[in-house]
Amino acid sequence: RKEVEQDPGPFNVPEGATVAFNCTYSNSASQSFFWYRQDCRKEPKLLMSVYSSGNEDGRFTAQLNRASQYISLLIRDSKLSDSATYLCVVIDSWGKFQFGAGTQVVVTP
Amino acid sequence: DAGVTQSPTHLIKTRGQQVTLRCSPKSGHDTVSWYQQALGQGPQFIFQYYEEEERQRGNFPDRFSGHQYPNYSSELNVNALLLGDSALYLCASSLAGPSNYGYTFGSGTRLTVV
Repeated sequence: RKEVEQDPGPFNVPEGATVAFNCTYSNSASQSFFWYRQDCRKEPKLLMSVYSSGNEDGRFTAQLNRASQYISLLIRDSKLSDSATYLCVVIDSWGKFQFGAGTQVVVTP
Repeated sequence: DAGVTQSPTHLIKTRGQQVTLRCSPKSGHDTVSWYQQALGQGPQFIFQYYEEEERQRGNFPDRFSGHQYPNYSSELNVNALLLGDSALYLCASSLAGPSNYGYTFGSGTRLTVV
């Protein structure tokens, strides 16, 4: 079983709609969690950290469920520019970044 | 303020050859991590360097080796290249510590092995 798993998608989302997807992790001792965004053939860029209490950054909301060992990302009022691959990142107890394979989101006009 | 810079941006090598990729960390960062990202996959951790030593290593064979210099720049060396080594190689720099803020990626080196 992979340490970090994501639904690869693609999630096809009409412009203005809401999309949400999860990422599960296997190591219960994982310390920190992030969402990164990666555009085609570009490097990953930090989108937001994920806190236990949940956090929001504009149209993006991230949640952490430690009991069920998953994190989620919700995008409201989707824009065409939100089309990208969203990578879930879990930092394990050794401080090592573990990436998921990514969830592809395609926002359509 | 320069971010993480990697060179070269693209590279084509033949099976069996050796390759060296380079990374200069963001100003103020002292830790460099290397990742391999195959097409359609997430980045896979290769190793991390801090204080000129390999601090952590992922599940990569000994053909993958590295080095960190006193100025914190780093190299990734891959010997006896295989077709399967074709990938985007990403370098990320950070400041050592528990917070992991500032973890920044370079734009990568795209290696093609033919």
